[in-house]
Amino acid sequence: GAGVSQTPSNKVTEKGKYVELRCDPISGHTALYWYRQSLGQGPEFLIYFQGTGAADDSGLPNDRFFAVRPEGSVSTLKIQRTERGDSAVYLCASSPIGTGELFFGEGSRLTVL
Amino acid sequence: KNEVEQSPQNLTAQEGEFITINCSYSVGISALHWLQQHPGGGIVSLFMLSSGKKKHGRLIATINIQEKHSSLHITASHPRDSAVYICAARDSGSRLTFGEGTQLTVNP
Repeated sequence: GAGVSQTPSNKVTEKGKYVELRCDPISGHTALYWYRQSLGQGPEFLIYFQGTGAADDSGLPNDRFFAVRPEGSVSTLKIQRTERGDSAVYLCASSPIGTGELFFGEGSRLTVL
Repeated sequence: KNEVEQSPQNLTAQEGEFITINCSYSVGISALHWLQQHPGGGIVSLFMLSSGKKKHGRLIATINIQEKHSSLHITASHPRDSAVYICAARDSGSRLTFGEGTQLTVNP
């Protein structure tokens, strides 16, 4: 597709389960960002990839959160031992090299029961 | 204190009114983004600016680097402009810090 694609769009899981959220950026975009948005708040930064490497992972809240981008395209955000406080919309954005312009996906809404 | 602050938090206007949303930031930035978020979550980038002023249709964004302040203006507002408007400050390392957003409602 032409835009940033995120799957699943909705995920309901139980406390303690493992979850993977996928982001497929716009083809050719080298930068990829993950953000988390809780209800009624602005997004907060989680991690930023430039190519395959995590250029800045300082926003990951704890070691239950991990993200990969092995081939420099698709990225997966992985959450272990989910907690109710992890419930949020997880947003992915990509950016072409050198511009800084952001293109957002529709987000993955995670609900932890 | 949030590093990026927006005002107002909520804004209700009548169709046709001129609207201003303000954003102040306390961090050093390489650029400032204005984003629009509609119900359901989809975010669209409106502007990215590092100096001066940009215009796109009825939308105008300005930034004053010395005062660490940016404004988003909407001329001749329309109900379809109703959305959450978010400013986000980009640091030198490409990390974005977001404001809390301004909920705009334009009534017909």
